[in-house]
This record gives sequence, structure tokens and C-alpha cells, in this order.
Amino acid sequence: DSGVTQTPKHLITATGQRVTLRCSPRSGDLSVYWYQQSLDQGLQFLIHYYNGEERAKGNILERFSAQQFPDLHSELNLSSLELGDSALYFCASSKRDRGHNEQFFGPGTRLTVL
Amino acid sequence: AQTVTQSQPEMSVQEAETVTLSCTYDTSESDYYLFWYKQPPSRQMILVIRQEAYKQQNATENRFSVNFQKAAKSFSLKISDSQLGDAAMYFCAYRPGSGAGSYQLTFGKGTKLSVIP
Repeated sequence: DSGVTQTPKHLITATGQRVTLRCSPRSGDLSVYWYQQSLDQGLQFLIHYYNGEERAKGNILERFSAQQFPDLHSELNLSSLELGDSALYFCASSKRDRGHNEQFFGPGTRLTVL
Repeated sequence: AQTVTQSQPEMSVQEAETVTLSCTYDTSESDYYLFWYKQPPSRQMILVIRQEAYKQQNATENRFSVNFQKAAKSFSLKISDSQLGDAAMYFCAYRPGSGAGSYQLTFGKGTKLSVIP
């Protein structure tokens, strides 16, 4: 158990819908990262927040957005869902935003878009 | 852009034997970090070992060790005394130590390791 929690574990929805994935970082960690793991694209970085502020964006679609709240939990919002958005979405956390600090991953949310 | 290549999509090893998983990376940075993550069937991503580029000594964690060849940009993982619980996907990952891109991990495509009883 990494100490990072993600809800829900599984999510099944239809094309065109909107979903919200939630992540709670390890106690004391200020950074939250979101990754997408799909069969064709592998593991890809989406976005990073540090202490409530967006710090970096990766291959994140405009239909996707995220935020980190004052209690440091984060939410990833996926809208206008397409079949290709079906993937495993990981949240990771670390103490700092860069440098010598490891990222610990949550168990992931498996999203299935039908 | 940094890239991470794992040239072995699948590998197998006999229980109690040793296996080495390969990883190469491409970067122009001098300060960076390399990682091996394990993803068992549960899908949880588990950090196995970490190497700082400025350290010449290869990292070791129990039965897991790395062979870090900075000039060759190679970072292989050796698993000794393989156990059934080592069966998983293994991902090599890279992160620069500073500058743009220093926040996120760049992953290879992974190597699926099977352990034969």
C-alpha cells in the first residue's frame, strides 16, 4: 500500500459523458501527478500540481482538466468521453515538486467508455 | 525529447535463477534520475529501485540491482534468486533533475516477466 488512494476503482460510462476521478496523496506529500496507461500509448504523464498550483502539463487533452484542492486531494475531470479514453488512470504523489523525490502511485482508476 | 526504450517486450526466468531486463534512454541532460517500477497483475505501480545519474555506484535493493552505464545511456535491472512473486510488467522510467520536464516520469513500454516454477 503506497498510501495514495484513488476512487473509484472502476468506472463504466458512455461516450459523451463526463466523469471525475479523485486522488488523495500520501500524508505530507504536496505534489500530485496524473498518468494515463493505455494499450496503445503506454504510460503517459498528463498533469502535475504542487500545493494547489498547476506546475506542468503533458499529453493532456483539452477535454480533460484537473485541480488540487486546499486539502491537497486532486480531481481529474474527463468530459465528452470517447472510446479511446478507456484506460487506467493513475495518480502519484511526492513530497516536493522536483529533484530527488520519488513518486508513489495509487492503485489506479480503470475507466471503460462504452 | 527524452525517450526510454525497453527492447524486450517479454522475458522468462526459472525460479531461483537470475534475469536481466534492459533499458536504454536518450537525453542531453547530465542531471537526471532513473527508476524501475514493477506492475503486477493487480496493476499497482510499485517502485523497485532508483538511481541518481551523479552517483557512479550502482543501486541495490535486496535481490534487485542495476547496471548503470551513463556513457552508454543504459540502465539494466538484474533480479537475483527470482521468485514467483516477481512475475510482473517492469517499466523503466526517466526524470530530469531540473528544468522543463523535471516533474514527470517518462516511461518505457515495459517488459513482461514470467517466472517459471
